[in-house]
Amino acid sequence: GENVEQHPSTLSVQEGDSAVIKCTYSDSASNYFPWYKQELGKRPQLIIDIRSNVGEKKDQRIAVTLNKTAKHFSLHITETQPEDSAVYFCAASSRTASKLTFGTGTRLQVTL
Amino acid sequence: NAGVTQTPKFQVLKTGQSMTLQCAQDMNHEYMSWYRQDPGMGLRLIHYSVGAGITDQGEVPNGYNVSRSTTEDFPLRLLSAAPSQTSVYFCASSLPGQGQTEAFFGQGTRLTVV
Repeated sequence: GENVEQHPSTLSVQEGDSAVIKCTYSDSASNYFPWYKQELGKRPQLIIDIRSNVGEKKDQRIAVTLNKTAKHFSLHITETQPEDSAVYFCAASSRTASKLTFGTGTRLQVTL
Repeated sequence: NAGVTQTPKFQVLKTGQSMTLQCAQDMNHEYMSWYRQDPGMGLRLIHYSVGAGITDQGEVPNGYNVSRSTTEDFPLRLLSAAPSQTSVYFCASSLPGQGQTEAFFGQGTRLTVV
């Protein structure tokens, strides 16, 4: 089955700096890659996703890049703000697997 | 719109007890799933369903049962609770698409087995 690895497990940045979280996946059939944000004590919520037919997608300060050859995708947050502090999860799925496999999460701390 | 509703929010069980975690959604989503969240291990899939009457096992199904008699409800049953099942449980639902559309999560159930 699919295996998703996520790094780093914790990340501390100063407000205004950029943050990058990286994930790798094992199943070459995977073609959908969402990112979820989970604030403390809350439920995970989708912040951005990308499909295998594109290499990059942006939404304001958030961007995701995908390298299918290397089986690697990344989340980029620019101009970080304190409210970006949360746990971020990457995930991957394929049509044949019919299920979403999550990474182990990255705890992002944005300091003033 | 309520979205995905889980009950209870908190539960303490004794080893060997059984219980059912309830999950209901009002978005007419066909795809529903259950995850458990443990520190450092992310969200691991327990069971999922692509529609009423259809269920399948995920990554960590042992000790759990599910059924899907209606589109709206997807209960998770713990048959004989064990301390290893202490976790936060999340139910999620999404539109059809083999798990390739946005998953909407419930608020979670924090379960402690003593």
